[in-house]
Amino acid sequence: NAGVTQTPKFRVLKTGQSMTLLCAQDMNHEYMYWYRQDPGMGLRLIHYSVGEGTTAKGEVPDGYNVSRLKKQNFLLGLESAAPSQTSVYFCASMPGSPYEQYFGPGTRLTVT
Amino acid sequence: AQSVTQLGSHVSVSEGALVLLRCNYSSSVPPYLFWYVQYPNQGLQLLLKYTTGATLVKGINGFEAEFKKSETSFHLTKPSAHMSDAAEYFCAVSDRGRGSTLGRLYFGRGTQLTVWP
Repeated sequence: NAGVTQTPKFRVLKTGQSMTLLCAQDMNHEYMYWYRQDPGMGLRLIHYSVGEGTTAKGEVPDGYNVSRLKKQNFLLGLESAAPSQTSVYFCASMPGSPYEQYFGPGTRLTVT
Repeated sequence: AQSVTQLGSHVSVSEGALVLLRCNYSSSVPPYLFWYVQYPNQGLQLLLKYTTGATLVKGINGFEAEFKKSETSFHLTKPSAHMSDAAEYFCAVSDRGRGSTLGRLYFGRGTQLTVWP
């Protein structure tokens, strides 16, 4: 099993550009999550999904949209990137509570 | 929402010394508790978790943590530090909720562990 994979690994955007980050998991997990990690802030939840076709807002959802059209994929979109969205983005999946979340390797995004 | 406090953003120990990383949570109802480790330029990896049962939980790489309800704490320890333990450690809690809140993790801000030779 590949586990949780994220595409791309690195990206540089100019302010106002858009992009989509792809998260894929091959473990048939119901729950999927998008986090951002900033120095000294820990991980903050952006959006999450408790099943195919469902999404919900997390702690810091503004400026992001998500979709979960297929159970194994969770997409994070930035419609108009801003420098404040420079961060490392992690995707995670979970089979159900109280199991742990399994994390992808991260995407490092820089917005100039 | 849950609140997680990790006391000390940086901890330094000598190789062979005791490692103690502190974590306190805010919930009056005991949540599920987790410690994750993050090595440079990698994702998070689970070290150990507490859900129910024995309050002393053993994890990978010789780490353990003890859930103390009266102190709302879940401190991480390792008797003898190794150079390979140098990493960032995150404490996280999860609601024992239902429905859409089920499984949400709330993270502390992390503790960077440095191990000196």
